[in-house]
Amino acid sequence: NAGVTQTPKFRILKIGQSMTLQCTQDMNHNYMYWYRQDPGMGLKLIYYSVGAGITDKGEVPNGYNVSRSTTEDFPLRLELAAPSQTSVYFCASSTDNSGANVLTFGAGSRLTVL
Amino acid sequence: QKEVEQDPGPLSVPEGAIVSLNCTYSNSAFQYFMWYRQYSRKGPELLMYTYSSGNKEDGRFTAQVDKSSKYISLFIRDSQPSDSATYLCALSRGGGFKTIFGAGTRLFVKA
Repeated sequence: NAGVTQTPKFRILKIGQSMTLQCTQDMNHNYMYWYRQDPGMGLKLIYYSVGAGITDKGEVPNGYNVSRSTTEDFPLRLELAAPSQTSVYFCASSTDNSGANVLTFGAGSRLTVL
Repeated sequence: QKEVEQDPGPLSVPEGAIVSLNCTYSNSAFQYFMWYRQYSRKGPELLMYTYSSGNKEDGRFTAQVDKSSKYISLFIRDSQPSDSATYLCALSRGGGFKTIFGAGTRLFVKA
């Protein structure tokens, strides 16, 4: 049972390039999330999904896109990378968001845009 | 006003000390109060959570919620160097509302 797996772990992009951060979970969780973590700022929600085919914006969606074609996978797409997107990105999943909504996180993807 | 405030630290204590980590929040609708621990270069992992007010104990860790003051705390007894990490408080209203995270407090426990 691997939990939540993110790839790549590290990536350096040039301004204007695009890339996709991959996230997959093997716990059959319906709910999946993408967060970014900046120093001193806590975790900010970018996008989330309540099931295959359903996605919605979080607090900071600009510059990102997501898709959810299967229960397991929730990739995050960065279009036209900007220095402001330099951050650590975490994918997370949960079984049920009606209560405490306990999240299981991946190990993170560290992105630098130069 | 931010929904949740947490002192980022860093907080440095000697091994064996009692550690107190705190968060304040502004929205009285929060019902679930969680603490996540995040080791360097890793993802956060749930340490413990409480529902509504009161205390919850798990080994050396005690979570405390005071809804009247909108104040939550995590106490670590007999702190160990392995407790060195960032501790994030997280709050949820339940019912499908999103979880809100504090900025995290960096803790260093010196041997």
